[in-house]
Amino acid sequence: DTGVSQDPRHKITKRGQNVTFRCDPISEHNRLYWYRQTLGQGPEFLTYFQNEAQLEKSRLLSDRFSAERPKGSFSTLEIQRTEQGDSAMYLCASSFEQGVGYTFGSGTRLTVV
Amino acid sequence: QKEVEQNSGPLSVPEGAIASLNCTYSDRGSQSFFWYRQYSGKSPELIMSIYSNGDKEDGRFTAQLNKASQYVSLLIRDSQPSDSATYLCAVLRAGGTSYGKLTFGQGTILTVHP
Repeated sequence: DTGVSQDPRHKITKRGQNVTFRCDPISEHNRLYWYRQTLGQGPEFLTYFQNEAQLEKSRLLSDRFSAERPKGSFSTLEIQRTEQGDSAMYLCASSFEQGVGYTFGSGTRLTVV
Repeated sequence: QKEVEQNSGPLSVPEGAIASLNCTYSDRGSQSFFWYRQYSGKSPELIMSIYSNGDKEDGRFTAQLNKASQYVSLLIRDSQPSDSATYLCAVLRAGGTSYGKLTFGQGTILTVHP
């Protein structure tokens, strides 16, 4: 296991289309996080899973965003009816336990045109 | 007031100098503190963690924490051009379901020039 894997690395989509991103965490990590980062800003928290349970969801997330982690392993983040403001780097991270730093994946860069 | 604030950059230092990066946080109950390095176009990489007041050294990096002042810093000694990156301060909030969620500052861009 070489780290957190995200797919795709880049996604260009037209406004109004739906997109789905996948994240495979480090296998022994039970905590999984999604963040969004725009240019010149730090990562902003989107949502957090412990095993398959989604424990927290940011108010930044509109109803167009949904995330799942069905078997407590990989996770998906779906954005419906994309808008230009959704253009950002979407980062997935995982950790083994509370209180430790995360390991981030390489991210998915979304461009909405 | 932002939850985590970093000194505004960009910060430019000559090769071999000490780079000093600062961060303040608003939640007095915060328990764990991290520094991430992010190269342009890449994802953040954890370089230091600190949990108790004082200094923690790892190679050329020293993290300093003062919980009373709600202040955390990162010193990079003998700065190298390869240290040129954005440095992100991250704070772990305590309590409830927020435990485990990192809050990041906006980052400080560091440039080390030869």
